[in-house]
Amino acid sequence: EDQVTQSPEALRLQEGESSSLNCSYTVSGLRGLFWYRQDPGKGPEFLFTLYSAGEEKEKERLKATLTKKESFLHITAPKPEDSATYLCAVQFNSGYSTLTFGKGTMLLVSP
Amino acid sequence: NAGVMQNPRHLVRRRGQEARLRCSPMKGHSHVYWYRQLPEEGLKFMVYLQKENIIDESGMPKERFSAEFPKEGPSILRIQQVVRGDSAAYFCASSPPASDYTFGSGTRLTVV
Repeated sequence: EDQVTQSPEALRLQEGESSSLNCSYTVSGLRGLFWYRQDPGKGPEFLFTLYSAGEEKEKERLKATLTKKESFLHITAPKPEDSATYLCAVQFNSGYSTLTFGKGTMLLVSP
Repeated sequence: NAGVMQNPRHLVRRRGQEARLRCSPMKGHSHVYWYRQLPEEGLKFMVYLQKENIIDESGMPKERFSAEFPKEGPSILRIQQVVRGDSAAYFCASSPPASDYTFGSGTRLTVV
């Protein structure tokens, strides 16, 4: 069964303390891997799409990387406003455009 | 561009009532997706629609749940005879063909 697992479930950082979130997946054929940010009471906000192993994308303090079995979301020198739940999702080759989501990593950045 | 609009934002229903959740996609988007987020769980796909067509409903419960995306007007997710286990946040997303989604802010359904 295709699965998406995110770790850790929760992460607390001090402002400026860099870290990484992990998303591992077991799928028969990967079309794309997506990262979203979700704030409380809001819908997921699109961050990145990665399509092939070795690909990297950056946006401000965030950088997403992809290997054949996992993706990392690196957060460099985070600020309190980066606090949110970060969701990883996978799109299969065999399906339509639907996404399979992990349960997310809840990030809290303290000043 | 107003984004994906969902209403109501919060909906309270008694057990056995019907719930209707509405989603207006972004302008120019012809694809609509519904996802459900249960407490402590990830987002789960329910149904994928294009105008007047259900493309994939593999994630939607067979009973009590239905969805439509008419030629005119918003997409509707309908839940008949709601039960406590239906309490969740329901998110709609829209996209142009073969492109990334934009999610709405969701409807939080509470069944009492």
